[in-house]
Amino acid sequence: DAMVIQNPRYQVTQFGKPVTLSCSQTLNHNVMYWYQQKSSQAPKLLFHYYDKDFNNEADTPDNFQSRRPNTSFCFLDIRSPGLGDAAMYLCATSKQPRSADTQYFGPGTRLTVL
Amino acid sequence: KNEVEQSPQNLTAQEGEFITINCSYSVGISALHWLQQHPGGGIVSLFMLSSGKKKHGRLIATINIQEKHSSLHITASHPRDSAVYICAINQGAQKLVFGQGTRLTINP
Repeated sequence: DAMVIQNPRYQVTQFGKPVTLSCSQTLNHNVMYWYQQKSSQAPKLLFHYYDKDFNNEADTPDNFQSRRPNTSFCFLDIRSPGLGDAAMYLCATSKQPRSADTQYFGPGTRLTVL
Repeated sequence: KNEVEQSPQNLTAQEGEFITINCSYSVGISALHWLQQHPGGGIVSLFMLSSGKKKHGRLIATINIQEKHSSLHITASHPRDSAVYICAINQGAQKLVFGQGTRLTINP
C-alpha cells in the first residue's frame, strides 16, 4: 500500500546532541511537510518542500533544518536539541502544490530529549 | 483568538450515541479538513470539504461557508471511535491551520 513512513517511531537523544528524523513516501507526492506537535497541542508547521523548493515558516527556529534529496525522502535535522524540542514530529505529503489538497500523514516520531 | 475554534474540547458519550463536534473559523478558506488522531498515533485525514456535505460510513461532515462553520457527526458511535478529532483549514495555499482538537471518549 502507498504510504508515508517515518523512522524511527521513538527517538531518544541527549541535550545538545544532533538528531535526524526520517520520512519516506511511496505516494509520489510533490509536497512534503514537517510538523511539530507538543503534548495536548495542535500540530505546528515547521516547513514544507514543494519538489525541491524549501519553504520555511517564519517562526521555525534555526535549530531545525530539513533536506529532501529526492521525491521519496525528507529529513528533519535538529542541530542542538533542547528540552523544549521534545515532541511528536509528523511528516505529511500532498499531491497538489498550490491548492488545497488532502494531506497524508505518517505515524510520527516521538522525540525525547534527556 | 485562534483562527479555528472547536467545541467541545472534551466529549464523553456512551456507545451508540450520536456525536457532533463543531468547528468555527474566522477567515476565508479554500477548504476545511477533519482529521482523526488516535493516542500515540499519526493523523488520518477523514474529510476535505469546500461546500455542502460528505459522508463516509458512519461519519458525516457538513460545512456552511457563509456562517464559517463546520460539523462532524458520528452515528452509532463505538469505543473504537475514541480519538482526538481535529478541524483544520486551508487559506488558499497548502498550509493547514489547525484547531486545538476535540478529545472524544466513547464508553462501552
